[in-house]
Amino acid sequence: QVQLQESGPSLVKPSGTLSLTCAVSGGSISSSNWWSWVRQSPGKGLEWIGEIYHTGTTNYNPSLKSRATISIDKSKNQFSLNLNSVTAADTALYYCARTLGFLEWSLDYWGQGTLVTVSS
Amino acid sequence: EIVLTQSPGTLSLSPGERATLSCRASQTVTSTYLAWYQQKPGQAPRLLIYGASSRATGIPDRFNGSGSGTDFTLTINRLEPADLAVYYCQQYGRSPQTFGQGTKVEVK
Repeated sequence: QVQLQESGPSLVKPSGTLSLTCAVSGGSISSSNWWSWVRQSPGKGLEWIGEIYHTGTTNYNPSLKSRATISIDKSKNQFSLNLNSVTAADTALYYCARTLGFLEWSLDYWGQGTLVTVSS
Repeated sequence: EIVLTQSPGTLSLSPGERATLSCRASQTVTSTYLAWYQQKPGQAPRLLIYGASSRATGIPDRFNGSGSGTDFTLTINRLEPADLAVYYCQQYGRSPQTFGQGTKVEVK
């Protein structure tokens, strides 16, 4: 059974960088799946941030205006999200998730989510 | 980007009844790349349906997805109290992936 667990600071200052890590257990991050970040806020609902494949190929939501960077560490079986120049609008519950397959982008495994608040 | 509009906003039904949830896309969803998720309070979303009509592993056959193009439906037969949740549709046929705003299902 694949499990995902997010970790990182729960409070980030405005203009700072939000950094989160998703540890994957029960499966290999080098499998034929994309690894994704999704956030959820009361104002914007569910928002897809981006995804990474184990080859390092990434895709991002253009709405984030190139502020997001997703990376992968195969030796630790984990992947990470960096979001820079954050504002209060980036306050949200952040989830990491796995796609069902390489060409099937529905998300079949999710972490429990981690709440990140942007405030001084 | 493709905007997904879900209706109704809230559905209040009795146990045993059928729930019909709608998801309408602003543009054609490529190759029926549409999924449905169930999110219970305090939990992450759970995949119910992918490819518009395929049930995910372990999902009971009370949950059925249908549709194509711009109109999709999630039907929940024989509603149970445990089905209390918000249901979201997601399209992943065109980047960026987008989600609907959700339909809340209340069980009387």
